[in-house]
Amino acid sequence: DAKTTQPPSMDCAEGRAANLPCNHSTISGNEYVYWYRQIHSQGPQYIIHGLKNNETNEMASLIITEDRKSSTLILPHATLRDTAVYYCIARSHTGTASKLTFGTGTRLQVTL
Amino acid sequence: SAVISQKPSRDICQRGTSLTIQCQVDSQVTMMFWYRQQPGQSLTLIATANQGSEATYESGFVIDKFPISRPNLTFSTLTVSNMSPEDSSIYLCSVGAGGGGTQYFGPGTRLLVL
Repeated sequence: DAKTTQPPSMDCAEGRAANLPCNHSTISGNEYVYWYRQIHSQGPQYIIHGLKNNETNEMASLIITEDRKSSTLILPHATLRDTAVYYCIARSHTGTASKLTFGTGTRLQVTL
Repeated sequence: SAVISQKPSRDICQRGTSLTIQCQVDSQVTMMFWYRQQPGQSLTLIATANQGSEATYESGFVIDKFPISRPNLTFSTLTVSNMSPEDSSIYLCSVGAGGGGTQYFGPGTRLLVL
């Protein structure tokens, strides 16, 4: 799996959009970008994933650059409950049997 | 998605003892994964458990220390053997579901070894 690089921490005001960047400059053509988050004292939660097209679901949007070397997770209207560590992971889309390799993630603090 | 439960949710143990952690899934899954999260750290994969075969361990983890059972497609156990304070961590199981390569995680077992 390609190495990903994320800022260690970010702050965001409640109600504003949170834009979390991820660098994956060595990503290969068959590797997807996955985002998970871990709220304190809970197991990681899947957010979204994509290959090269932008993706949106009820939780977030994922913007992947055309060269696929970086991406941004967007939480359109951050709330206090979005305070968590966000992990960006690049992995081959080999179905459910593939392990996840977690980096250090970005600690997002949403404030009033 | 998959609903995963773990038992116990937390425990405090004495060094030299062993603890078995249970992971139950609400649907049949081929692969189950066990992760460890040491205090302030990210998640590290311990092993992959496939029903009907021996678990596959990652570098730095051995079967004698972390024996795993996988008796059926909805259940697995991880034992932390001969514990030391360095084993104090959160232990999480996860499964893949939905056919899209997504993994779902249990709530974790918080272990403190004194």
